[in-house]
Amino acid sequence: QSVLTQPPSASGTPGQRVTISCSGSSSNIGSNSVNWYQQLPGTAPKLLIHTDNQRPSGVPDRFSGSKSGTSASLAISGLQSEDEAYYYCATWHDSLSGLHVFGTGTKVTVL
Amino acid sequence: QVQLQESGPGLVKPSETLSLTCTVSGGPLTGYYWTWIRQPPGKGLAWIGYIFSSGITNYHPSLKSRVTISVDTSKNQFSLKLSSVTAADTAVYYCARLDIVVGEGQDYGMDVWGRGTTVTVSS
Repeated sequence: QSVLTQPPSASGTPGQRVTISCSGSSSNIGSNSVNWYQQLPGTAPKLLIHTDNQRPSGVPDRFSGSKSGTSASLAISGLQSEDEAYYYCATWHDSLSGLHVFGTGTKVTVL
Repeated sequence: QVQLQESGPGLVKPSETLSLTCTVSGGPLTGYYWTWIRQPPGKGLAWIGYIFSSGITNYHPSLKSRVTISVDTSKNQFSLKLSSVTAADTAVYYCARLDIVVGEGQDYGMDVWGRGTTVTVSS
């Protein structure tokens, strides 16, 4: 079982803003940066946000990340139908020589 | 751009060893960390371990006794071996490039992924 807890689901209508939380502890999120991955149906995950709030080249600025204490969040503004996917947060337990952990995953549905 | 491709048997018998290879093309293997992740049917992502191009490894504690990740820089490949498999090891296995600087504690994420390969453990 994952040590990073995410809500199992989130939803919104096109154009709305959706926020996904990722709750951890002082040993993981509280000590290391957080990355977010998007997994579209039937495909490999894709890096969406790295180092808490940085978007890789090519990722729309509708996606934004933040972190505070032992929790992190991913926000999707201007929700689009193609954003329907699973989203996973990820970080390390203790250090980068330790255990890498993924969140439990959140299914975003566009209504 | 860098591309990754997993290869290996799609069916493995219980108690045997699962062996997969990830071929790196379009860029160097040297100087980077490389990782394996798996996803059981209908479940979330699970990290297996990583290897640096020099051969330094780090494994998930729960798999440490059964897993070996190795690298062959001459072939631009890295590999996964998981011994004594059971049905619980049935999953889609992904390889990915892990952009980290361990000494500085910098993690820029798994920025390149293979498409994944399905491995079923069954007799």
